[in-house]
Amino acid sequence: KQEVTQIPAALSVPEGENLVLNCSFTDSAIYNLQWFRQDPGKGLTSLLLIQSSQREQTSGRLNASLDKSSGRSTLYIAASQPGDSATYLCAVAGTALIFGKGTTLSVSS
Amino acid sequence: NAGVTQTPKFQVLKTGQSMTLQCAQDMNHNSMYWYRQDPGMGLRLIYYSASEGTTDKGEVPNGYNVSRLNKREFSLRLESAAPSQTSVYFCASGPFPTGGSYEQYFGPGTRLTVT
Repeated sequence: KQEVTQIPAALSVPEGENLVLNCSFTDSAIYNLQWFRQDPGKGLTSLLLIQSSQREQTSGRLNASLDKSSGRSTLYIAASQPGDSATYLCAVAGTALIFGKGTTLSVSS
Repeated sequence: NAGVTQTPKFQVLKTGQSMTLQCAQDMNHNSMYWYRQDPGMGLRLIYYSASEGTTDKGEVPNGYNVSRLNKREFSLRLESAAPSQTSVYFCASGPFPTGGSYEQYFGPGTRLTVT
């Protein structure tokens, strides 16, 4: 059974820092991996999707990498801003979308 | 283009009452999904519909039924609500079944409390 783990569960950083969020999964037979952002009391916003044949995807200050063989993905956020404060979820797609429990990020000004 | 919409936004039920959560998407997506999100548990799939006319169970289907009314609409019904069904419910849609390497798009959620 696929299991997705996100470390750390919570992270606090000062504005301007570069940071890395980690996601690991137990079954490498995935079709893609998706990173989402969730603001308190809100729905999920898709940030990046990496297909299984890809190694990374970039969008603005965000860069996500995928290493299927080791069952890992990282989300790199450059020059963090207070507006980046949210919970970040990763999800892997096999026959269904399996989510990690998220990393709650707080960026202080 | 509203994306994925859900009604209601909030609901309080008494144990044993029934209700239907509504979801609609205007992106012409084939697949639709219902998830629940609980503290410490993350998001878990309840039911999904890979295409119009088909529905399948997800990880936590007990106590729920679904109807894919047409390509746009996918409803979730609680026949006899229980306190364990207190949760935030999200509907999502995608252009293909999950195995097709395409994204899922989420609605804003329904916050349900069962007392």
